[in-house]
Amino acid sequence: AQSVAQPEDQVNVAEGNPLTVKCTYSVSGNPYLFWYVQYPNRGLQFLLKYITGDNLVKGSYGFEAEFNKSQTSFHLKKPSALVSDSALYFCATQTLGNYQLIWGAGTKLIIKP
Amino acid sequence: DTGVSQDPRHKITKRGQNVTFRCDPISEHNRLYWYRQTLGQGPEFLTYFQNEAQLEKSRLLSDRFSAERPKGSFSTLEIQRTEQGDSAMYLCASSPTAGATQYFGPGTRLTVL
Repeated sequence: AQSVAQPEDQVNVAEGNPLTVKCTYSVSGNPYLFWYVQYPNRGLQFLLKYITGDNLVKGSYGFEAEFNKSQTSFHLKKPSALVSDSALYFCATQTLGNYQLIWGAGTKLIIKP
Repeated sequence: DTGVSQDPRHKITKRGQNVTFRCDPISEHNRLYWYRQTLGQGPEFLTYFQNEAQLEKSRLLSDRFSAERPKGSFSTLEIQRTEQGDSAMYLCASSPTAGATQYFGPGTRLTVL
């Protein structure tokens, strides 16, 4: 069965520092991988996705993610964090067939001024 | 605004009552998904439609849950005889084709007293 894991419940970063939010996956075949962000009492906003091609994927709001097949990881990164980046971040993989999204438990990102 | 919309945003009901939620997908998106998210967890897949056809239901979806998409546009999710365990955020997403990015609505937060 396909799954993703987000090993950190919470990540704390000082404003202006680089940030990384970790995600590992377990998928048979080629993975479709996604990052979404959720602000309080809001729906999920799409940030970026990896389907195939370049291992470094650029997305919205200055975020990027690196696909690493040997480490089965898809970590979310940003070179310089903003306080407004504070939110809940979800990694997801998409099943073939019905294309439902299978989600990690989420990582709370806190950016301190 | 041409995003996914959901109504109502919040619903408080007493145990045993029936509730119905509505989702309006992005225009011309033929795929529509329902997910449920409880506090501190990632979303869980409930069901999905391709146009008006409901193609799959999760085992999470008991017989008390029913979903429709009568004309292949908006969708409704009805919960009969609500239980306290049904309290959650109900999220709707749409995508233009199978495998394309899913775009989410703001969700309906259900509280069952």
